[in-house]
Amino acid sequence: AQTVTQSQPEMSVQEAETVTLSCTYDTSESNYYLFWYKQPPSRQMILVIRQEAYKQQNATENRFSVNFQKAAKSFSLKISDSQLGDTAMYFCAFMKPRYNAGNMLTFGGGTRLMVKP
Amino acid sequence: DTEVTQTPKHLVMGMTNKKSLKCEQHMGHRAMYWYKQKAKKPPELMFVYSYEKLSINESVPSRFSPECPNSSLLNLHLHALQPEDSALYLCASSQGPSAKGPEAGQPPYEQYFGPGTRLTVT
Repeated sequence: AQTVTQSQPEMSVQEAETVTLSCTYDTSESNYYLFWYKQPPSRQMILVIRQEAYKQQNATENRFSVNFQKAAKSFSLKISDSQLGDTAMYFCAFMKPRYNAGNMLTFGGGTRLMVKP
Repeated sequence: DTEVTQTPKHLVMGMTNKKSLKCEQHMGHRAMYWYKQKAKKPPELMFVYSYEKLSINESVPSRFSPECPNSSLLNLHLHALQPEDSALYLCASSQGPSAKGPEAGQPPYEQYFGPGTRLTVT
């Protein structure tokens, strides 16, 4: 079974600054996907970024980037130029593809990020 | 269109009521999911449908009954719920994997979530 750990329950950052959210996972699988989801107070879960384990290059999406360390089983999210709208709960998630079946996401416990003006 | 819709947005029901939650997607996704989320906690998987067939049931009590009438629609029928079942119920969908297995260059299978139904059981 996979486990995902987010060691920072809460974090805060000043607007326009950079913040890094940590995530570690445990698995014996070699092929898997990792995701960061954002859940603002409106409660809609929004995909922020994804990383395929077979890709060595770290994923980036505008102000969001990851530091994927496969050997260390680490998958941190960096948010640059933080904006007030980034205030949300952030969930790290692991997924192993299952064939002819849906895919199960294993979520970390979440990090609540507050961006301060 | 990457939208998953859920109705109703809010639902209050008594323990003897029967109600249903509805989820719809028109992205051609072949896998659909129900999650339960308590406040300040991550979503917990309840059911997975793949190609309109139930593929995963995470030991959910029988008072929750899922149904997938077609590839775009997913229902969750509720009966004789308990107050502790009060939560946000999230629906999600994803493309679903190929039967051939993983290959470099295949699209990632992220799940798209709906806005949820806030359920209160009184």
